[in-house]
Amino acid sequence: DIQMTQSPSSLSASVGDRVTFTCRASQSMRGSVNWYQQTTGKAPKLLIYASSALQEGVPSRFSGSGSGTEFTLTISSLQPEDFGTYFCQQTYSAPYNFGLGTKLEVK
Amino acid sequence: EVHLVESGGGLMQPGGSLRLSCAASGFTFSTYAMSWVRQAPGRGLEWVSGIRRDGGATDYTDSVKGRFTISRDNSKNTLYLQMNSLRAEDTAIYYCAKDSTTFVYWGQGTQVTVSS
Repeated sequence: DIQMTQSPSSLSASVGDRVTFTCRASQSMRGSVNWYQQTTGKAPKLLIYASSALQEGVPSRFSGSGSGTEFTLTISSLQPEDFGTYFCQQTYSAPYNFGLGTKLEVK
Repeated sequence: EVHLVESGGGLMQPGGSLRLSCAASGFTFSTYAMSWVRQAPGRGLEWVSGIRRDGGATDYTDSVKGRFTISRDNSKNTLYLQMNSLRAEDTAIYYCAKDSTTFVYWGQGTQVTVSS
């Protein structure tokens, strides 16, 4: 099974900051990574699929990159609604594991 | 508009069984693979199981193989998860999600608690 390791586990930032999340896969898998945002009490929301494709309706301040084993999600200018927990997910092979998440909090 | 509504969760003793249902609407159910994803309290997301659009192929995460069975009834636009031999570590919110790997649409989730 492919394991996904996210770092950091938590992050404090301020509105307007540039923020980067990292996800490392236990084996190479091309660009088969999705990123989701989850806020308290809600289902996850898809932000980025196939490593770098922006999901329809997601603001352009979100971007994804990476291939092989290292992937990143960047928020170019943090907005108040962006706080929450971010998960990466590999879609290369079943089981389609998620990382443990990075919790983004207000500084 | 896509709508997924889970039901069937509850409190069960270890070793018990539950069947979760997910009623789908707003899309042609029979043409999409479907999945179950769970989230334990204060924990991350875990993909549990997936089923092909015709029900002909299924996948499971290792921890539920042999205990859980995913199925679907395309005539009723409904996805199921039969959960047997429940363990405390199965306690989680269970979400159904449209598609096999990339989840744009999720239900609101149903809580399953396994405790004596």
